Amino acid sequence: AQTVTQSQPEMSVQEAETVTLSCTYDTSESDYYLFWYKQPPSRQMILVIRQEAYKQQNATENRFSVNFQKAAKSFSLKISDSQLGDAAMYFCAYRRLNNNDMRFGAGTRLTVKP
Amino acid sequence: DTAVSQTPKYLVTQMGNDKSIKCEQNLGHDTMYWYKQDSKKFLKIMFSYNNKELIINETVPNRFSPKSPDKAHLNLHINSLELGDSAVYFCASSHAGANTEAFFGQGTRLTVV
Repeated sequence: AQTVTQSQPEMSVQEAETVTLSCTYDTSESDYYLFWYKQPPSRQMILVIRQEAYKQQNATENRFSVNFQKAAKSFSLKISDSQLGDAAMYFCAYRRLNNNDMRFGAGTRLTVKP
Repeated sequence: DTAVSQTPKYLVTQMGNDKSIKCEQNLGHDTMYWYKQDSKKFLKIMFSYNNKELIINETVPNRFSPKSPDKAHLNLHINSLELGDSAVYFCASSHAGANTEAFFGQGTRLTVV
């Protein structure tokens, strides 16, 4: 079974600084997709960024980028120029090709200090 | 226009009751899900429906039953509620295929007293 591990239950960052959230996963598949979701206090789950495993280039969305290391099965999220609105729970998720099952990590609570 | 909507947003009920949570999506997706988020924020998939066929059924008690009258709806029925059922339940939907993200509803906070 595929598992997703987020080893940092909590992280904090100073406003305008950069923070990296870690995620590792376990799979025997070669093709799959990875996602980072954000869950602010409103409870809404919001997609932050996605990465296709067959793409070597790391995905980037404005201030959010990933460091995808396929061999190491690592998928970290970097948030640059952190803003107060970035404070939330962040979930890493894995989805196998041709499979509807999306598996989530336990989440990392990010605090942004003014 | 809400893409994935769940009702109710909050539900407080007594042990032993039977309750339902409704979910509707207007995105034209063909796959819908139910997730349970416990007090530690851990998200666990409960069910997945694709074209009205149950695909995933994790180790969920049979007191929980999904009902999908059509592609746009996936309701969750819970019988004989227990204290441990207290959690936030999320409905989500997506197109079939792993490269598409899941869109989530706002969640239903269920409290069993």
